[in-house]
Amino acid sequence: DPKIIQKPKYLVAVTGSEKILICEQYLGHNAMYWYRQSAKKPLEFMFSYSYQKLMDNQTASSRFQPQSSKKNHLDLQITALKPDDSATYFCASSQTGGEYFGPGTRLTVL
Amino acid sequence: AQSVTQPDARVTVSEGASLQLRCKYSYSGTPYLFWYVQYQRQGLQLLLKYYSGDPVVQGVNGFEAEFSKSDSSFHLRKASVHWSDSAVYFCAASMTSSSFSKLVFGQGTSLSVVP
Repeated sequence: DPKIIQKPKYLVAVTGSEKILICEQYLGHNAMYWYRQSAKKPLEFMFSYSYQKLMDNQTASSRFQPQSSKKNHLDLQITALKPDDSATYFCASSQTGGEYFGPGTRLTVL
Repeated sequence: AQSVTQPDARVTVSEGASLQLRCKYSYSGTPYLFWYVQYQRQGLQLLLKYYSGDPVVQGVNGFEAEFSKSDSSFHLRKASVHWSDSAVYFCAASMTSSSFSKLVFGQGTSLSVVP
């Protein structure tokens, strides 16, 4: 059974729209993260959460907003989408270091 | 600035040959170090990790890595590669004392195993 679920697997959006990427982890971890992987940049840290509280934010734009409604959930809301936001977004979790990654959501912004 | 460098963007080896993928980090302390593998169009899988102690750590599928503080390196090795090892390999480091800090990734090395 998958331990980290990301939905949807693929997502196509139009410029200016808003989307929410879903992440649920069933590893019992307290820390969750978002990373982005694009053709132009390697894997890039975005956010870290611990016990549902924001620990670190390396995202320059406020258009990216993580949302944690439950301990094992960390969704990512992206507003005013731009073509440059096209990337694969990975959710990850950890307990004592060494993050486990979900399968990713591949976002294409037209 | 803290960084991770994988100097080889692409590596091609023959099946059955040995492998070394290079990784160097830039950090004044001793980071937590990791190797991940990404098969085509899939998520990242943790191969192995180093926190402290024995500088040679064993991972899954016959992979091992050796930490060198003097060289600021964490190279990945395998004695005999299989065609199924073809993938992109990422070296990553956690450069704070927090157990849940962010990972800094290298650019990745694309490994092709040929017959």
